[in-house]
Amino acid sequence: QKEVEQNSGPLSVPEGAIASLNCTYSDRGSQSFFWYRQYSGKSPELIMSIYSNGDKEDGRFTAQLNKASQYVSLLIRDSQPSDSATYLCAVKDSSASKIIFGSGTRLSIRP
Amino acid sequence: DTGVSQNPRHKITKRGQNVTFRCDPISEHNRLYWYRQTLGQGPEFLTYFQNEAQLEKSRLLSDRFSAERPKGSFSTLEIQRTEQGDSAMYLCASGSGINQPQHFGDGTRLSIL
Repeated sequence: QKEVEQNSGPLSVPEGAIASLNCTYSDRGSQSFFWYRQYSGKSPELIMSIYSNGDKEDGRFTAQLNKASQYVSLLIRDSQPSDSATYLCAVKDSSASKIIFGSGTRLSIRP
Repeated sequence: DTGVSQNPRHKITKRGQNVTFRCDPISEHNRLYWYRQTLGQGPEFLTYFQNEAQLEKSRLLSDRFSAERPKGSFSTLEIQRTEQGDSAMYLCASGSGINQPQHFGDGTRLSIL
């Protein structure tokens, strides 16, 4: 059974600080990795995709990938109250077309 | 709006009834996926279409569930003889390539009375 593991949280971060979200995965052959944001009662919204080892930056968001350690992370700089949501780590199954999701980390930005 | 569209947004039905959901993907996407999400969990894969062909089905998809994508455009997901455990958010996603991200619709929330 291929798995994606995330700390469920809640992770509480003061406004303006850096939020760090982590994820590990079991499928060593995976090549595509995604972070989705999900507000309560809403559907997942794509934030970042990353395919190569290292860092990828997009605005206040930085995704980090280490395939050798099977580890993906998301950094959110200058955290805003609107960043309060559940963040889903998602990994493309190496032998199928589906994406395997973690159960999500709840992030709360306190003013 | 060229995003993924799902209908209805909410469905409340009695146990034992049949329900059908519709998904209209992003027009240029040939890949369409159905997922199910329950509270506190990430989405779980149900099935995948490439054009009109249903290429993958999860073991979660019991024989009460059927999905179609007859012309390679919109898709329907039908649940027959609904059970309490079917209560969930049913999400549709579409994508343009095997390693490309999937973009989700707003989902259909199913409640079984």
